[in-house]
Amino acid sequence: DTGVSQDPRHKITKRGQNVTFRCDPISEHNRLYWYRQTLGQGPEFLTYFQNEAQLEKSRLLSDRFSAERPKGSFSTLEIQRTEQGDSAMYLCASSLVMGGDVRFGSGTRLTVV
Amino acid sequence: DQQVKQNSPSLSVQEGRISILNCDYTNSMFDYFLWYKKYPAEGPTFLISISSIKDKNEDGRFTVFLNKSAKHLSLHIVPSQPGDSAVYFCAASKVDSWGKLQFGAGTQVVVTP
Repeated sequence: DTGVSQDPRHKITKRGQNVTFRCDPISEHNRLYWYRQTLGQGPEFLTYFQNEAQLEKSRLLSDRFSAERPKGSFSTLEIQRTEQGDSAMYLCASSLVMGGDVRFGSGTRLTVV
Repeated sequence: DQQVKQNSPSLSVQEGRISILNCDYTNSMFDYFLWYKKYPAEGPTFLISISSIKDKNEDGRFTVFLNKSAKHLSLHIVPSQPGDSAVYFCAASKVDSWGKLQFGAGTQVVVTP
């Protein structure tokens, strides 16, 4: 169990640029989740996958956000035309389909200037 | 719509004493509850969980109590140690959307010598 891995740890980008984050889940976990956390708040659910199928997207996820998990292993989260309000910690997590714990990665801190 | 609430933003406790963190929820469909600890610039670390069919779960220094009728759960840490200083998040999930967690806003715990 090498844990959930996220890359990069930090990203600073100019407003209007596109950014992409990567998440590698725990290998035996078939569910993968994306969350966003802003200062003083708990993580907020964005979307999740079971294997390669995206099962649900939060209404928080605007059209500028897209997530993929093409082979049911790693996942990417892309934000197009970034805005200052996108500045947050983006967290990836993984779990088994049913039961067990939801394990989080260390997150990607995005700062939009 | 905040379905999971942690009404105490901070808690200060002396080393060796008991820390009690509280969490309330409004959605009676939640059937699994988790506690996470978070250090700055890191992702949440899983601590302990409880199913709605139980009223208590214990793991070492950590015990979680669930009162379904009151829609209330609490985390007891005893004895508290300096390394326990962190932000603690309560989270809830439904079995049919496993891993889609609703988080509270967190409680900052400071353990003083």
